[in-house]
Amino acid sequence: DAGVIQSPRHEVTEMGQEVTLRCKPISGHDYLFWYRQTMMRGLELLIYFNNNVPIDDSGMPEDRFSAKMPNASFSTLKIQPSEPRDSAVYFCASSSTSGGPTDTQYFGPGTRLTVL
Amino acid sequence: QKEVEQNSGPLSVPEGAIASLNCTYSDRVSQSFFWYRQYSGKSPELIMSIYSNGDKEDGRFTAQLNKASQYVSLLIRDSQPSDSATYLCAVNHNTDKLIFGTGTRLQVFP
Repeated sequence: DAGVIQSPRHEVTEMGQEVTLRCKPISGHDYLFWYRQTMMRGLELLIYFNNNVPIDDSGMPEDRFSAKMPNASFSTLKIQPSEPRDSAVYFCASSSTSGGPTDTQYFGPGTRLTVL
Repeated sequence: QKEVEQNSGPLSVPEGAIASLNCTYSDRVSQSFFWYRQYSGKSPELIMSIYSNGDKEDGRFTAQLNKASQYVSLLIRDSQPSDSATYLCAVNHNTDKLIFGTGTRLQVFP
């Protein structure tokens, strides 16, 4: 398996622009997680899905952030409009419940977002 | 108080020594505990999980859990320069999501 795939790997944009981050989870995994990592705040969970349904979006910082999972093999995280404080590394992770409620989470390579 | 706390480090140890990484958590009902390793510029990868009090060993790694003290640790024996990374402690509060600490940076020098 190719693992979790994220695109783009790097994104540089200007304040006010829309940013869309993409994730393809490991085939067969039924959980998908979006995280944001910064030096100051560490790794923060933004939202997670189970069987394509959003379960907990309490970590989404504000209405500028939205996430969708239209099918089992694809998810997007959108920021509109983007702001400099959104600059961070965004990780997508997936897991399977075959081993229990919280099985190993496999992380993608991340998208490094820079908002100028 | 943060839900999961770790000393940010860096923790510097000589090659061959034992590195001891510590983590405390605030929620007493936490059920599962994980250690992830993250190399600079890379994504986190799971190295150990522990669910019950006591020690769990896997090669050079030992995870220790003390639920009464709300404390979990990771010992790395015979530390190697390749162990130099940030180690993230993660806790599950009986839900489907993990709460991560901010990580401890470990430096192993030759």
